[in-house]
Amino acid sequence: DAGITQSPRHKVTETGTPVTLRCHQTENHRYMYWYRQDPGHGLRLIHYSYGVKDTDKGEVSDGYSVSRSKTEDFLLTLESATSSQTSVYFCAISEETLNEKLFFGSGTQLSVL
Amino acid sequence: RKEVEQDPGPFNVPEGATVAFNCTYSNSASQSFFWYRQDCRKEPKLLMSVYSSGNEDGRFTAQLNRASQYISLLIRDSKLSDSATYLCVVTPSGGYNKLIFGAGTRLAVHP
Repeated sequence: DAGITQSPRHKVTETGTPVTLRCHQTENHRYMYWYRQDPGHGLRLIHYSYGVKDTDKGEVSDGYSVSRSKTEDFLLTLESATSSQTSVYFCAISEETLNEKLFFGSGTQLSVL
Repeated sequence: RKEVEQDPGPFNVPEGATVAFNCTYSNSASQSFFWYRQDCRKEPKLLMSVYSSGNEDGRFTAQLNRASQYISLLIRDSKLSDSATYLCVVTPSGGYNKLIFGAGTRLAVHP
């Protein structure tokens, strides 16, 4: 299995608080992604990165920011969490070509109360 | 209309059965197609890519029908361990760089 670690695995927080989720990879892959998964929806792309300090928005980026200061780490921040951001968040990586086959982390279950 | 649509199921089949899922996509210029498998409360994992000529991997066969804009997944001789949600994934063309995931089809294989 690809070396991808997400932390924390579970988090409960209150509306209005900032939250940061971390994704760490040991594969030295160039591309990293953050997705959210909600019932009845496919995985939806929040942000992605194509290199250190190179990031771009996905289809559901409002309310989220990301940073990638090292190849191995990709951080997702909810500046002020809302209940609509309760979801399962998956980090993914791909090796060479953007959108090539993805390898996913184990996910973070985030609950915003 | 969703860009990628799947029957959510569940498909309940006995062990040994053959089962097929379809997935339709709306963008006729879509270029790449995949099936991912997701076990309950786990991360998605790539099952197989779908090529224009169709492809087979053991008990699994994937087909692409561009004219009708759908891909299919056929599972023969179903095993209990095949119980999972199967996600259809499509890559649009035109440099719009993101995968589009279907919401998934749930398969339950029973003894």
